[in-house]
Amino acid sequence: SQQGEEDPQALSIQEGENATMNCSYKTSINNLQWYRQNSGRGLVHLILIRSNEREKHSGRLRVTLDTSKKSSSLLITASRAADTASYFCATPVSGGYNKLIFGAGTRLAVHP
Amino acid sequence: GAGVSQSPSNKVTEKGKDVELRCDPISGHTALYWYRQSLGQGLEFLIYFQGNSAPDKSGLPSDRFSAERTGGSVSTLTIQRTQQEDSAVYLCASRRTGGDTGELFFGEGSRLTVL
Repeated sequence: SQQGEEDPQALSIQEGENATMNCSYKTSINNLQWYRQNSGRGLVHLILIRSNEREKHSGRLRVTLDTSKKSSSLLITASRAADTASYFCATPVSGGYNKLIFGAGTRLAVHP
Repeated sequence: GAGVSQSPSNKVTEKGKDVELRCDPISGHTALYWYRQSLGQGLEFLIYFQGNSAPDKSGLPSDRFSAERTGGSVSTLTIQRTQQEDSAVYLCASRRTGGDTGELFFGEGSRLTVL
């Protein structure tokens, strides 16, 4: 079964709008990561948030983590057409970084 | 190398044939992962290496799948007697261990099509 599951499965917005994607997971974790995948290519790491952090920023990205609800969100502000991609959360199954399980992803389409 | 390199980038084979997919991780990265991604789907964990050993092979779908890593570097994923349901993109990733950030660096994948 999936350790992390993203919501929504697909999101379509206009340039300049904000995009919010959510991730829920099942077991206790010590970190959670977000990755981006352009169509048909490898994944690129965006940001890692540790279990003792509640919020983290990187450029136009803002990630939150709520360990009590076992959920995380990724916010992309002032979206651009170039942000069109699939976004995945990844969580370790048994602590550390050794076995990262990815969710099914959110497909984001940003229209000019 | 500069990044994770995978070969071949595309492979078309006939049902029943064996295929080998290769992954060259980033130099010095001791952890190496194989994932499988079917069209429009998420990533399915296959196997993880720490050095040359594989502490977790739980994701390999069947005994037709095997993987090895030699010299703590290059890894080969072998699929024997391929089936049409094996068609997917096989992604390799590596990670530096020891005080690392946990970030996985992915290759561009090997797209396998079984006819």
